[in-house]
Amino acid sequence: RKEVEQDPGPFNVPEGATVAFNCTYSNSASQSFFWYRQDCRKEPKLLMSVYSSGNEDGRFTAQLNRASQYISLLIRDSKLSDSATYLCVVTTGGSYIPTFGRGTSLIVHP
Amino acid sequence: EPEVTQTPSHQVTQMGQEVILRCVPISNHLYFYWYRQILGQKVEFLVSFYNNEISEKSEIFDDQFSVERPDGSNFTLKIRSTKLEDSAMYFCASSETGPATEAFFGQGTRLTVV
Repeated sequence: RKEVEQDPGPFNVPEGATVAFNCTYSNSASQSFFWYRQDCRKEPKLLMSVYSSGNEDGRFTAQLNRASQYISLLIRDSKLSDSATYLCVVTTGGSYIPTFGRGTSLIVHP
Repeated sequence: EPEVTQTPSHQVTQMGQEVILRCVPISNHLYFYWYRQILGQKVEFLVSFYNNEISEKSEIFDDQFSVERPDGSNFTLKIRSTKLEDSAMYFCASSETGPATEAFFGQGTRLTVV
C-alpha cells in the first residue's frame, strides 16, 4: 500500500462549483498534514496546514480523520485560478520525512 | 517577500559528469531540504539539513549525492557521476522551525542528463 494516496483526477468543474479531494495515508504514526498547490512546472506552495480540529481559510476547508487515516480539502465557489494540482503531504513522527502524494489535478472551466 | 532562490534554473550535463545545484534559503530559516520531481511523477524527499548536518535522508540519497552549506547563505546539492535517470526538477526548500512546519520552495532547477 502506498504511503500517501490521492485520486489523480482530473476533476473538471465549472466556476462556482464546490469540489472535494481526499488523501489517505498508511502510517498511523503520522503527525503533521498539509495541502500544497502546484501549478504546471512550478514549485509547490503551501495552501494550508491541516489541524485535528479542522480548519478553514476563506473558500478552503481542510479536515483530518485520524481514525480512518485520511485528510480532505474542500474548495467552495471555485475560481479559474484554482486550476492546479493539489498535493497532500504527510510527515511521520520520529523520522519527520515529508511524504508527498502524487497530487490531484483540478481544472476549473468557465 | 523573502523567497528561496535556486540557480541555475536549467542545467544540461553529460552522463557521468558532476553537477552542483545551488540554493539560497530564506535567511532566518533553520531547516533546509532538497526534493526532486521526475517529470509527471510525485515530489520525492531527498534530504533535510539542520545545524550544519544531515538530519534525515531518503533511500534515494545514496553515495552519489552530497549536500553542503559552504557559507552562511548557500546550500548546495552535489550529484556525482550523473545518470540519465537523474534527470528531474530539483527543488530546494527551507522552513523556519522544522519539518512539521510550512516549507517554502524555490522555483527549482531542471536537470537534464544527456
